[in-house]
Amino acid sequence: GQNIDQPTEMTATEGAIVQINCTYQTSGFNGLFWYQQHAGEAPTFLSYNVLDGLEEKGRFSSFLSRSKGYSYLLLKELQMKDSASYLCAVVGGSYIPTFGRGTSLIVHP
Amino acid sequence: GAGVSQSPRYKVAKRGQDVALRCDPISGHVSLFWYQQALGQGPEFLTYFQNEAQLDKSGLPSDRFFAERPEGSVSTLKIQRTQQEDSAVYLCASSQLGGGGEKLFFGSGTQLSVL
Repeated sequence: GQNIDQPTEMTATEGAIVQINCTYQTSGFNGLFWYQQHAGEAPTFLSYNVLDGLEEKGRFSSFLSRSKGYSYLLLKELQMKDSASYLCAVVGGSYIPTFGRGTSLIVHP
Repeated sequence: GAGVSQSPRYKVAKRGQDVALRCDPISGHVSLFWYQQALGQGPEFLTYFQNEAQLDKSGLPSDRFFAERPEGSVSTLKIQRTQQEDSAVYLCASSQLGGGGEKLFFGSGTQLSVL
């Protein structure tokens, strides 16, 4: 089975940087995804890591350490529209993405 | 189609009624997933199809839940004799291939309320 842990809620100020952590335990590993989900909407893809290291895409970056079972999503130059839930999803040996409970990010002025 | 389409968007059912939720994936996508999302939680896996084959149904919570994808495109999730604990958003997602290392494209979901 899989166990995925991420903080329930975080708050940050517009223009700042925030790091959302995700730790996991899994049987087999075939990648880790981050999705963004605004309230009442569908999750949308942000990033994918399968090898150790940092993947950068504009204001968003994602890091993976397979040996530590650890990932983080880094959001820079926060905007009000970044207020959303951020979902960490791990693909294990079954090739089925398993999601964490999500981190609700609140960005305030 | 342009994206994953789910219908209805909202469904209210009386306890004991049967419901059917429809998912129209992106055209040509091989993989189709159903997830259940309770308020304030992450999506919980229900079942997975590769074309018309249901390869994994380990997440279906009881034998009241049944899913099919007979022609490898549109899928239907059926819940018989609905209970209050079935109230949730049901999300459908598709991906292009069947390998597992691909991003999922999600529909907007069906919000089911069982009274």
